[in-house]
Amino acid sequence: AQSVTQLGSHVSVSEGALVLLRCNYSSSVPPYLFWYVQYPNQGLQLLLKYTSAATLVKGINGFEAEFKKSETSFHLTKPSAHMSDAAEYFCAVRGLTGGGNKLTFGTGTQLKVEL
Amino acid sequence: KAGVTQTPRYLIKTRGQQVTLSCSPISGHRSVSWYQQTPGQGLQFLFEYFSETQRNKGNFPGRFSGRQFSNSRSEMNVSTLELGDSALYLCASSLRTGKEAEAFFGQGTRLTVV
Repeated sequence: AQSVTQLGSHVSVSEGALVLLRCNYSSSVPPYLFWYVQYPNQGLQLLLKYTSAATLVKGINGFEAEFKKSETSFHLTKPSAHMSDAAEYFCAVRGLTGGGNKLTFGTGTQLKVEL
Repeated sequence: KAGVTQTPRYLIKTRGQQVTLSCSPISGHRSVSWYQQTPGQGLQFLFEYFSETQRNKGNFPGRFSGRQFSNSRSEMNVSTLELGDSALYLCASSLRTGKEAEAFFGQGTRLTVV
């Protein structure tokens, strides 16, 4: 079975500082990994996805993530945080053959950006 | 291009009642998935429909059911509501099915059971 673990349910950074949100995956088959963002009372918006084409994936709003098979990680980063980045971030995996479009989500990381 | 539309946005029901939630996918998308989001359990997969057929089902009791129509619109139904069914229900649509398929989410329906 596939799963993802997000380390740190809450992360706080200063505006302009580096954002690092951690995600580790567990999968018996090559995984497809996704990062989503959720603003209050909204649905999920796709930030980026890893589909084995390249290990460094660039997404929207200046976010990127690097797939590291040796560390089973797919951490999300942004060089300089902005107040508008404050939201909840979810890592998700899809890897089970025949599992259709089912996504398995991590527990989420709430990002707070302070002045 | 219109996004995924979920109706209603908010709903209050009483224990024991039933409820039907609606999801209109992005035009041309044939796959619709449903998720339940709660503070305690996080985001959990309910089921997925593709071309009117249920392809996958999560670990939820039989009180949770769904269907998809020929125009790809989907509904989910919860019967005999319990307090624990209070949650944000999210619908996601995809153009196709497969590991790379991007899922586009609606804004969700906030269900409160009292």
